[in-house]
This record gives sequence, C-alpha cells and structure tokens, in this order.
Amino acid sequence: GAGVSQSPSNKVTEKGKDVELRCDPISGHTALYWYRQSLGQGLEFLIYFQGNSAPDKSGLPSDRFSAERTGGSVSTLTIQRTQQEDSAVYLCASSRGPGLGNTIYFGEGSWLTVV
Amino acid sequence: SQELEQSPQSLIVQEGKNLTINCTSSKTLYGLYWYKQKYGEGLIFLMMLQKGGEEKSHEKITAKLDEKKQQSSLHITASQPSHAGIYLCGADSGSNSGYALNFGKGTSLLVTP
Repeated sequence: GAGVSQSPSNKVTEKGKDVELRCDPISGHTALYWYRQSLGQGLEFLIYFQGNSAPDKSGLPSDRFSAERTGGSVSTLTIQRTQQEDSAVYLCASSRGPGLGNTIYFGEGSWLTVV
Repeated sequence: SQELEQSPQSLIVQEGKNLTINCTSSKTLYGLYWYKQKYGEGLIFLMMLQKGGEEKSHEKITAKLDEKKQQSSLHITASQPSHAGIYLCGADSGSNSGYALNFGKGTSLLVTP
C-alpha cells in the first residue's frame, strides 16, 4: 500500500483479555518498528524487526507483550492479559532498511483502551 | 540511551508570527529527524538532518543541525493554523535497534487567528 496501515484503529477491551494489533508496512520495507505512546508521555520504542527477525526486543515492557512478523511483511503485536496501564496508542513504523538516511514512516496508530 | 530535550513544551502563537522549537541531545546526533503529529493521528515526516551545520527547508519550515551536532532547531515562518500540532524530534539510537528513533517529549503548537 501507499503508507503504513494499522488495524484496528480503535480497540476497547476488558482487563484480562488478550488483544492483537496488526501492522502492514510499506511494500518493500524490510525494517519494521513498534512504538507505544501513552497519554502525556513520549514515544516509547518497543521492538524492531529486520525481515522476520527481531534483533531488538529490549523495549517490550513485560512478558505479556510479544510480536511476530511473517513473510517479511505483516506484523502482529499481541498483548496478553491486558491491564489498564496498557491503554495507549500503539504506533507501527517501517523503513526501507535499517541505517542512517532511511526515513522511518509511521502509521496512524491503534488506540487501545483497557476498561 | 540518548536523551532528547525539547523546548518549549508548548507554544501558543498568533497567526503570521514566527516561532522556533529546539531539540537538544545529551550525545552527538548522527541523524536527527523532525516529525509532526496531529491529535489522534500518526507521525508525519518533515525532515532529516545528518551533517553538522546542515539546514533544510520545506515550505515555511526550516530545520537546522548545529556544527557540534548536539542541537537542532525547527523554525516556522509566518505561522498558519495548519501548522498546529505536536512537533517531535527523534534521533538514531544505534545499530543494535536498527536505528530505531529515540524521541523527545514533543512541543505542542497552537496557532490562534
């Protein structure tokens, strides 16, 4: 597609439920990133994929968070047993490749509300 | 990790006025990115700077990276309501994370008629 596409755009879930957030990067982009933006907070890096591998998972907040990428394209971020503090906007981004000079393009985000 | 400080945190300017937003790093910047975010939307890429002393312009927005590569500024000339939003600077965090960006907390800009 023309840009990074994320779904759902909005999700309200009950505490304790699992949620899956999907990201379709720009076609041909090998690098994919997940960020989290909480109300009043800055952007928090979660995980980076190069192809289907995740060399850096250092930003995942807990073992309830996991992500995968298949076919070097679509990525899914899964949050298990959601907590209220998980409420945030989850932003996906992609770039042609890792490294300086490769612009990182962001999707519109998935707004998650845990009630 | 690289800390980015943005100032001011928020800004209200009258339409037609000029303004400057600053981004200061605790470490040398090897790549500095400026993005704009409107409420409820994703980040829109504005500009990227890599070389000390580099300056880029797009329409009425100019971004500069200082010679020491530790500070960047974003200048908007003759502001318009369409410039309103949150401006974020981001810096490369290094090759281990595929050059994922670390971001400042953002500067919220409101342009009044």
